[in-house]
Amino acid sequence: QVHLQESGPRLVKTSETLSLTCSVSGVSITSSRYYWGWIRQPPGKGLESLGILLYSGNSDANWSLASRVNISVDTSQNQFSLRLSSVTAADTAVYYCARLYCRETSSFRLPRGCRFDPWGQGILVTVSS
Amino acid sequence: DIQMTQSPSSLSASVGDRVTITCRASQSVSNYLSWYQQKPGQAPKLLIYGASTLQTGVPSRFSGSGSGTDFSLTINTLQPEDFASYFCQQGHSIPNTFGQGTNLEIK
Repeated sequence: QVHLQESGPRLVKTSETLSLTCSVSGVSITSSRYYWGWIRQPPGKGLESLGILLYSGNSDANWSLASRVNISVDTSQNQFSLRLSSVTAADTAVYYCARLYCRETSSFRLPRGCRFDPWGQGILVTVSS
Repeated sequence: DIQMTQSPSSLSASVGDRVTITCRASQSVSNYLSWYQQKPGQAPKLLIYGASTLQTGVPSRFSGSGSGTDFSLTINTLQPEDFASYFCQQGHSIPNTFGQGTNLEIK
């Protein structure tokens, strides 16, 4: 059974960098079948995809919402991480990590036909001065 | 980016009712449309993918339909555990985008 769990600081100061880790069990993060992603949900609002990563993919196969979003992989720990720089109060949200299953994947282009399953339980990160 | 618009944003119903939630995409997403259920304090749970394929373990009272730009999620014979929020998500192109959600409440 695949399980994901987010961890990291729950309080981040304005203008600093938010760093979260997603620990994955039940499947190797290096699998060429799956993407890994981060999604956030501000309090009382909808869901927003922040970025996705395919371990075996090149830069054309991976995507992030903005230049201040970085997603990386630690294969030794079977984890992937999110770094969001220059945070403001607008970045206060529950952050989820998830596996993506996509019908079409390639190491050289963005995927198609993706769904998020499963998700981690989420972690509330508050940005405050 | 493809915009996803759900309606209604909130819905009141009773146990045993049949309800339908709709989702419209700003451009065709073929059948790359998924539905998620989210209960308070929990992560979203995948219910349906490919517009109409039920995820393993999801009760058959849930069904999805549609293609192109217009989709719907129907729940037959509402059960107490179905009162939650529901989101649609397009998987046609990156970034994958979500609808704003429908909050299903007990009447």
